[in-house]
Amino acid sequence: DAKTTQPTSMDCAEGRAANLPCNHSTISGNEYVYWYRQIHSQGPQYIIHGLKNNETNEMASLIITEDRKSSTLILPHATLRDTAVYYCIVRVAVRSNDYKLSFGAGTTVTVRA
Amino acid sequence: KAGVTQTPRYLIKTRGQQVTLSCSPISGHRSVSWYQQTPGQGLQFLFEYFSETQRNKGNFPGRFSGRQFSNSRSEMNVSTLELGDSALYLCASSPLDRSSGNTIYFGEGSWLTVV
Repeated sequence: DAKTTQPTSMDCAEGRAANLPCNHSTISGNEYVYWYRQIHSQGPQYIIHGLKNNETNEMASLIITEDRKSSTLILPHATLRDTAVYYCIVRVAVRSNDYKLSFGAGTTVTVRA
Repeated sequence: KAGVTQTPRYLIKTRGQQVTLSCSPISGHRSVSWYQQTPGQGLQFLFEYFSETQRNKGNFPGRFSGRQFSNSRSEMNVSTLELGDSALYLCASSPLDRSSGNTIYFGEGSWLTVV
């Protein structure tokens, strides 16, 4: 799996958009970008994933650059409950033996009132 | 659809004892994997089961074992517990098929404290 680089931490004001960057310069053509988050003492929560087109769901938007070497997760209106560690992971989306996630240190996002 | 369910949520064991943790995957998911999370090592892959077969194992000693039943439910066992086994143990499931993709979903975890 390609490696990812994320900032260690970032702060965000409640109600504002939170933009979380991720670099994945060695991503392969068949690897997707996945985002998870982990709120303290809970299991990681799947947020979104994408290949090359921008994606949006009820939780967030994912913007992937045209060269696919970086992406940004956008939380449109951050709330205090969005305070968590956010993990950016690249992996093949549909391959029956791709069962493992390799987590890095992630970005600790703190939403402040 | 119910999520991944893990039991028990919290438990305390004594060094030398053994422990069994249980996981019920999301309905229809055939792959179940286990992870250990500690403050020092982060999230580490333990093993993965698919159709009752262990397909791969992470770099953990033989004291860590698991199994999967025909209904896809899984258990993991740790024998001869050591203080360093204190951790959050996470179970995850995935459909692993081309129509549904293989997004992995996690349970809330089982907090194990070894004293």
